[in-house]
Amino acid sequence: EPEVTQTPSHQVTQMGQEVILRCVPISNHLYFYWYRQILGQKVEFLVSFYNNEISEKSEIFDDQFSVERPDGSNFTLKIRSTKLEDSAMYFCASALGGGNQPQHFGDGTRLSIL
Amino acid sequence: AQSVTQLDSHVSVSEGTPVLLRCNYSSSYSPSLFWYVQHPNKGLQLLLKYTSAATLVKGINGFEAEFKKSETSFHLTKPSAHMSDAAEYFCVVISMDTGRRALTFGSGTRLQVQP
Repeated sequence: EPEVTQTPSHQVTQMGQEVILRCVPISNHLYFYWYRQILGQKVEFLVSFYNNEISEKSEIFDDQFSVERPDGSNFTLKIRSTKLEDSAMYFCASALGGGNQPQHFGDGTRLSIL
Repeated sequence: AQSVTQLDSHVSVSEGTPVLLRCNYSSSYSPSLFWYVQHPNKGLQLLLKYTSAATLVKGINGFEAEFKKSETSFHLTKPSAHMSDAAEYFCVVISMDTGRRALTFGSGTRLQVQP
């Protein structure tokens, strides 16, 4: 069964450094998402992406965050200058369609900011 | 606005006994509802979905859930728990009227299965 894959599985970064989290969505999917889960808290929506542009973002997704689909297969989340509170599990998801089409999640990247 | 409340943060059952994980939702219009499961160090796996067809939805691994509009509930059940069911379970809602595609997650229920 096709899967969403995320790399790396664990990223350790110094505060203030830039970090890029990578995702390969399921190949025929058209909608892409990033979510995060801070330890002990709910899974929170960050951003959705369709047709090469952001279609929706939450208040968490400020100017420090950006997303890109550079080559038609990878979908990346960049955090420009990391803060301690960015430490979390970051999940990528993709869906075949919008609306109520199920979103399929990767195994996540654990981001630890020191 | 849409929201989800999972009424129990932890549920513990014995192997072979029924499982009930409770979820109530709030949505301004027709919701679509999902249950996802997260095993340790793994991603979120879709268990089942309700999207305004049959109110009793069957999912993978013997799980099912019933959409009850009058009670705004979407409880997850399984007749007989297996050790491999031990995981974190998330009830998730999306409201079709808003045009939003962002999923709203509940806070999760950790299911323990005792031998």
